[in-house]
Amino acid sequence: EIVLTQSPATLSLSPGERATLSCRASHSVDDFLVWYQHKPGQAPRLLIYDASNRAIGIPARFSGSGSGTDFTLTISSLEPGDFAVYYCQQRRSWPPTFGQGTKVEIK
Amino acid sequence: DVRLVETGGGLVQPGGSLRLSCGGSGFITNFKYMAWVRQAPGEGLECVSIIYSDGSTYYADSVKGRFTISRDSSENTVYLQMNSLRGEDTAVYHCARAVGARGGVWPWFDPWGQGTPVTVS
Repeated sequence: EIVLTQSPATLSLSPGERATLSCRASHSVDDFLVWYQHKPGQAPRLLIYDASNRAIGIPARFSGSGSGTDFTLTISSLEPGDFAVYYCQQRRSWPPTFGQGTKVEIK
Repeated sequence: DVRLVETGGGLVQPGGSLRLSCGGSGFITNFKYMAWVRQAPGEGLECVSIIYSDGSTYYADSVKGRFTISRDSSENTVYLQMNSLRGEDTAVYHCARAVGARGGVWPWFDPWGQGTPVTVS
């Protein structure tokens, strides 16, 4: 199965700062890479599908890039509601796998 | 907007069984593909099972032969029957609509439910 490695494990930033999250795949997933936001006790929320496409209702400060094995989720200016855990997921091969997550916490 | 709600979780002994249900506040019968995704304590997310509208089902190796996914369109519900439960099945189980599956490419998941906790001990 394809292993996704997310870095860093934790990102400590202040509101207004830029967040850059990385997801690296053990094998190429083309552009079939998805990003989710997850807050404790809530349902995970789809942010980005197929590397760079924002889901409906997702603010423009969230952007995704990359292809093949290296992907980035960028939050251009953190808002208080953005502090959460972010997961990437590949859908190129079975089973769909997720990274271990990056926690974005308030500095 | 459809909201998904999972029920049926709880505490069960090793070797026991549970059946999880996933219903929607809206009409989920039109959702062609549905999935169960779990998160063990302190761990990441794991896709457990997917069911397609043609009845095709897919399972993670870790649950194959023990879990069964099904759907009842008349009841607007998706189920996960879990048998021969093990300690490593302890997790929060989320149901989700599976989207974007086509030609050998697997889906992403949207929306998700909040999840129902399963503890095997």
